[in-house]
Amino acid sequence: SYVLTQPPSVSVAPGKTARITCGGNNIGSKNVHWYQKKPGQAPVLVIFYDFDRPSGIPERFSGSNSGNTATLTISRVEAGDEADYYCQVWDSNGDHPNWVFGGGTKLTVL
Amino acid sequence: QVQLVESGGGVVQPGGSLRLSCATSGFSFSAYAMHWVRQAPGKGLEWVAVISYDGSNKYYTDSVKGRFTISRDNSKNTLYLQINSLRTEDTAVYYCARETGATDFDCWGQGTVVTVSS
Repeated sequence: SYVLTQPPSVSVAPGKTARITCGGNNIGSKNVHWYQKKPGQAPVLVIFYDFDRPSGIPERFSGSNSGNTATLTISRVEAGDEADYYCQVWDSNGDHPNWVFGGGTKLTVL
Repeated sequence: QVQLVESGGGVVQPGGSLRLSCATSGFSFSAYAMHWVRQAPGKGLEWVAVISYDGSNKYYTDSVKGRFTISRDNSKNTLYLQINSLRTEDTAVYYCARETGATDFDCWGQGTVVTVSS
């Protein structure tokens, strides 16, 4: 089955830029979605189709995807951005479709 | 506005069963595929199951095949997950989520907690 690999943690100072990577075999050929998950809250879609933002998501959130790595970039990081972030793809290989999540990255705002 | 509200979680012994529900409102439920996603304590998100908009297609992650059954009642705007033969590793918060049709999940419920313990 398809595997997505994320760093367990990323730390960044307020006002700086955070980059969270998501690695997968030829992930550039897939559509990557990103979710923000805070403790006790439901996940929130922050990026879909590699780089599109749902309404209500700040422009500070952006995404890219090429080769074997997709990246979520958060510019001008704020304290409220501290959360776990998950990448996700749909994998149509194998005997049935799969919706695959990465292991998640904890973003710490210093 | 769009709302998804899960219920039915609880504490159950290994081998037991539960039926989770996800009541929805604010959108045309019968037009969307719906999913269950879970998060075990201290772990990441894990996709569990999907059902197509009309209930004709269902798929499961390998670890729950044969034990979990996803279903829906479009007349009641409600999604279900019947979970049988529960194992300790099924302990998790279970979320229902709406798929946009483009393989991403744009709306989620707040989750219902399932604890499997003797």
